[in-house]
Amino acid sequence: EVQLVETGGGLIQPGGSLRLSCAASGITVSDNYMGWVRQAPGKGLECVSVITSSGSTFYADSVKGRFTVSRDSSKNTLYLQMNSLRAEDTAVFHCFLGGGRYWGQGTLVTVSS
Amino acid sequence: DVVMTQSPLSLPVTLGQPASISCRSSQSLVSGDGNTYLNWFQQRPGQSPGRLIYKVSNRDSGVPDRFSGSGSGTDFTLEISRVEAEDVGIYYCMQHTHWPWTFGQGTRVEIE
Repeated sequence: EVQLVETGGGLIQPGGSLRLSCAASGITVSDNYMGWVRQAPGKGLECVSVITSSGSTFYADSVKGRFTVSRDSSKNTLYLQMNSLRAEDTAVFHCFLGGGRYWGQGTLVTVSS
Repeated sequence: DVVMTQSPLSLPVTLGQPASISCRSSQSLVSGDGNTYLNWFQQRPGQSPGRLIYKVSNRDSGVPDRFSGSGSGTDFTLEISRVEAEDVGIYYCMQHTHWPWTFGQGTRVEIE
């Protein structure tokens, strides 16, 4: 059974940094496309970053230069390093596998002073 | 960016009746490998999204056969043959042919 478990969300001041983690079981992170989708309160879905099995990375324009996706094969974990956070980054962040076959439960990031 | 436009945005339905959601993309979703990477997701209240359909018309395992997907190029449809109470939620189409991967605005399905 595939499980994705996100951690690392919380309340952070504008300009601050957070690192989200997505621990995977039942799949090998480095063998798959994986990524991060966020959902602002009461809003729709936005794909913010993807990392391919070969290690290529992609970012939405809204986060380019501020967010970095990475993975640790030894821990079978996906990460999203988020810097220079803004109020508009407030959202539930989900990690997902491939074309969305599996999703984590999400972790809430709130950017507020 | 590829813009995904869903209609309607709100869909009141009667139990046991069919329902249909349209999704149009601003450019063709046919990939260079010949596949069309158009998926449908259901998000029940308070839950993470779950995939129903991948590559236009392939139902994920465990998805009831009352759900079906069709379409090609830029025009796609999700159909529910007979709506049940558990189908209440928001439905999203998503393309992952072109980066950035983009979602439709969502269609809220509710029981009349």
